[in-house]
Amino acid sequence: SYVLTQPPSVSVAPGQTARITCGENNIGTKSVHWHQQKPGQAPVLVVYDDTARPSGIPERFSGSNSGNTATLTISRVEAGDEADYYCQVWDSSSDHPVFGGGTKLTVL
Amino acid sequence: QVQLVQSGAEVKKPGTSVKVSCTASGYSFTSYGISWVRQAPGQGLEWMGWISTYNGNTNYALKLQGRVTMTTDTSTSTAYLELTSLRSDDTAVYYCGRQQGDYGDYYFDYWGQGTLVTVSS
Repeated sequence: SYVLTQPPSVSVAPGQTARITCGENNIGTKSVHWHQQKPGQAPVLVVYDDTARPSGIPERFSGSNSGNTATLTISRVEAGDEADYYCQVWDSSSDHPVFGGGTKLTVL
Repeated sequence: QVQLVQSGAEVKKPGTSVKVSCTASGYSFTSYGISWVRQAPGQGLEWMGWISTYNGNTNYALKLQGRVTMTTDTSTSTAYLELTSLRSDDTAVYYCGRQQGDYGDYYFDYWGQGTLVTVSS
């Protein structure tokens, strides 16, 4: 069973780059997906299949996945990026999703 | 455009049941599975189970088995979540999510707006 480990919080100044990690043994062999959740709102998919962006998601959002760590990178961070971010994989052995604990991104 | 619209907030007493709906539009309902995910106040996302809208097969989280039932009505493109024997720790926002991707590797490309269920005596 997968346990996805995320840092509880990440802080970054506007215009800088935020990196949010998601760790699990050999996560590089899985497809990782990232969801953004702003306060009081439903989650929104921002990256899927490690690196792909859904239509309407800015190019500032990108993903990577290798070895034991997947990373969501947000370039040129804006105040509107402040949110909780969750990584997610699908556990094919038990046929259900697994979510990371979430990372709160604070824009200073 | 794809939309998942959920039913409104509920207040329930401990020991009772709740049924939440999720009505899909903008796509072929039976082509994508639906998962239910809940979020307790201040907590992360907890998967509850999923249903195949094609054949009605279900897969429930172990901790909820016996209390949760997921169904669909394909004539109205609606998925339902029923949770029985409610407890205070079932207080949460409940979301439905459309499953996209290949077999054994799904993600959620669209989410409902959420339904707050409050369990209180």
